[in-house]
Amino acid sequence: DGGITQSPKYLFRKEGQNVTLSCEQNLNHDAMYWYRQDPGQGLRLIYYSQIVNDFQKGDIAEGYSVSREKKESFPLTVTSAQKNPTAFYLCASSPQGMGNYGYTFGSGTRLTVV
Amino acid sequence: DQQVKQNSPSLSVQEGRISILNCDYTNSMFDYFLWYKKYPAEGPTFLISISSIKDKNEDGRFTVFLNKSAKHLSLHIVPSQPGDSAVYFCAASATQTGANNLFFGTGTRLTVIP
Repeated sequence: DGGITQSPKYLFRKEGQNVTLSCEQNLNHDAMYWYRQDPGQGLRLIYYSQIVNDFQKGDIAEGYSVSREKKESFPLTVTSAQKNPTAFYLCASSPQGMGNYGYTFGSGTRLTVV
Repeated sequence: DQQVKQNSPSLSVQEGRISILNCDYTNSMFDYFLWYKKYPAEGPTFLISISSIKDKNEDGRFTVFLNKSAKHLSLHIVPSQPGDSAVYFCAASATQTGANNLFFGTGTRLTVIP
């Protein structure tokens, strides 16, 4: 059963610590994306990757880093430089050309800084 | 600059009546539009889409209308059901540019009152 898996569902981080959010897909999609959702702000693009070993900054990349060593995986690291990291993080994937259904989203990770 | 706008943050509708969710866009290169539905603490799921060569697309209780001259699209849900209560995101893409990116609106929270 194909899909996109984000883990963990809930994550707590102390101030000053880096933390990595996992995103894995078995849909054979080329492109992967990370979004952040804050109340009343919709979905804001952090980073995206169209192919392995290549990624681009989105609208709010500061304080985040990513890697794309495998087609299936696109982990997001929230660094201590991110000033307000508490948010709901969504990973998505799509085939090249997006297909008819746009993106397939994971179920999200809620990150809370304590 | 928000290229896709959903100016109504919330909408309440009685069960059985019609729900109309609106979306405006500014980029004339957008040629593919999608609606996603999102429940709390879950990822958005694809609902319905429309290409710019059409002005209407229907799928069961859901119909999307596109007015290219006004750069406006709307999602009609009829009859509305309590299970339709969710946040609805409008998204747009300029597929002919070769770009894979979706631009999202800020969402409209629909509440269907039993």
